[in-house]
Amino acid sequence: AQSVTQLGSHVSVSEGALVLLRCNYSSSVPPYLFWYVQYPNQGLQLLLKYTSAATLVKGINGFEAEFKKSETSFHLTKPSAHMSDAAEYFCALSSGGYQKVTFGIGTKLQVIP
Amino acid sequence: DAGVTQSPTHLIKTRGQQVTLRCSPKSGHDTVSWYQQALGQGPQFIFQYYEEEERQRGNFPDRFSGHQFPNYSSELNVNALLLGDSALYLCASSRDSPNYGYTFGSGTRLTVV
Repeated sequence: AQSVTQLGSHVSVSEGALVLLRCNYSSSVPPYLFWYVQYPNQGLQLLLKYTSAATLVKGINGFEAEFKKSETSFHLTKPSAHMSDAAEYFCALSSGGYQKVTFGIGTKLQVIP
Repeated sequence: DAGVTQSPTHLIKTRGQQVTLRCSPKSGHDTVSWYQQALGQGPQFIFQYYEEEERQRGNFPDRFSGHQFPNYSSELNVNALLLGDSALYLCASSRDSPNYGYTFGSGTRLTVV
């Protein structure tokens, strides 16, 4: 079975500070990993994905994530938070051949001016 | 290029009724997945359609059924609605590749009273 654990359902950072959202996964086969962002009353938007080509993945809006197999982690970072980054972020995993994707419970990011 | 379109955006139904939600995938996508997102939760996988067949199914009762049409659009049907079915229903489309990533619609907000 595959699973995703997001540590911290709420994270608050000051504008301009480092953003770090944590994600750990469990999978019996090499996983594909994703980060999605959801703004209020909207669907989810793909931020970035790990597909085994490179362990450090760069995404949209200045976000990046690093795949660490030894730690089974895929944490999302951004060097400097912007007010527009306030949203809910979901880590997701696919380890099946038919692309079923399992989502974490989400982390709400608050950016304090 | 239109993304994923879902209709209706909001719906109020009475317990015991039936509902049909509709989804048009992004152009070029052939796979449609449906997710249920309860308030404050991550999306939960309902099922996935490919080539007009249900390919995978999550832990949802048979009251949840679906269909995919030759133009790749899809419907989600829920019978005998329960109060607990109140949620945001998300349609996600993709190409048939495990690492492709989803494009989500904005969802249908279903309220069961």
